Parts: sequence; structure tokens; C-alpha cells
Amino acid sequence: DVKVTQSSRYLVKRTGEKVFLECVQDMDHENMFWYRQDPGLGLRLIYFSYDVKMKEKGDIPEGYSVSREKKERFSLILESASTNQTSMYLCASSFFQGGTYEQYFGPGTRLTVT
Amino acid sequence: AQTVTQSQPEMSVQEAETVTLSCTYDTSESDYYLFWYKQPPSRQMILVIRQEAYKQQNATENRFSVNFQKAAKSFSLKISDSQLGDAAMYFCAYRSAMEYGNKLVFGAGTILRVKS
Repeated sequence: DVKVTQSSRYLVKRTGEKVFLECVQDMDHENMFWYRQDPGLGLRLIYFSYDVKMKEKGDIPEGYSVSREKKERFSLILESASTNQTSMYLCASSFFQGGTYEQYFGPGTRLTVT
Repeated sequence: AQTVTQSQPEMSVQEAETVTLSCTYDTSESDYYLFWYKQPPSRQMILVIRQEAYKQQNATENRFSVNFQKAAKSFSLKISDSQLGDAAMYFCAYRSAMEYGNKLVFGAGTILRVKS
């Protein structure tokens, strides 16, 4: 079974703090993704990475950065957390198999910024 | 840019009955993939079913089937013999076959409630 784990299920941080969200996958997948999930908006892509040290901006990268130093780990960084970054954050990984890609999701981190 | 629209924020179905969740999308591409994902309460999101745009035959997975209408850009999910475990948020998603990186574009989601 593919396992995608995220460092915390729930996190409460203060405005202005630097926040790290960690994601680890155990299947040697090349591609990894960070989404945020908000009611009425679905999932929106923040950043993705298709290889170690490679990253690409998604649809809403403002206020976020990422790091991928090892293939299995993809970190999302909020340099200075703000209340509008209160959300559910989902990590996913994928690889090419059977003619297509399939994304596997982590359990999510519910971040509250006060 | 591609967009995915789910016009039903919430749906309800009686146990053992059939329910259909709607999804429409907008794209100028001819080659793409469509997905339905299920997110149970407080649990991980999982893939329910996948449809390749070049295939005319509708995908089926046990009690789950889709009605893919390419010309109408419509991709609905039918759940037959609904079970309590089907209660979840369902997301429709689109992936281009042309772009590198297999990014997904998601709809807003539909909450499905199953009544016993």
C-alpha cells in the first residue's frame, strides 16, 4: 500500500510565525504536490515538484515556498503565517504506471492561524 | 485554463438507492483524463474512478459508474445500491494529457449524505 504521511493532523500557529508542513511518501514517487482545501473552492494547487530540488508554482503560490531535498520528502513553508492561510493542507504524490498517473493523498493538516 | 464545476454542494440518498453526482468541465483540449475522488470524514482522499477522454466506453468500478459526455463536457458519477460507507465529500477532477506534471484541477466538491 502506498503511504503518504503528513507531520501533523492539526496545527495552531500565530500570525507572523514561520510554519513548516512536512510530507513523506514511501513509494519512491517522482511527483509530489501541495494543495489547500477550502469550503466551496475544492482543492487548489500551491506547488508541485517532479524531482529532487525541482519545484513548480501552482495556481496559488503567493505566501508559500517549498523544499524538496530528498525524493521522499516535500515540505511546504509559510514564511510569515497570516490568518487567510487558515485552511486544510493536503499533500499528494504520484508516478506513472499503467499508462497514466494516479495521485495518492495524505490525511491532511488542518492549520489554524490566530 | 481548465475549470471544473460541481453544481450540487450537497446531495442525499436513501440507503440501497441510486444517486448521481454532476460534474461539468471546460477545456479546449481533446486529450485528457477525468477522475472522481472520495474524501470520507476525517479520512484520506481516495480515487473512485477514472475516465480517459479518448475512450468512448464509460468507466465502471463495482457500484460506481460514470456517464461521460465528451461533446457536452459532462462527467457524472452514479452510485448504485448506496451504502452508509459512501457518505463522503466527492470531488471531480481534470488532468490534461498534454501538460507535464500531471496536475489535477478540482471542482468544489459535493457532500453526499446517506440515510438509513
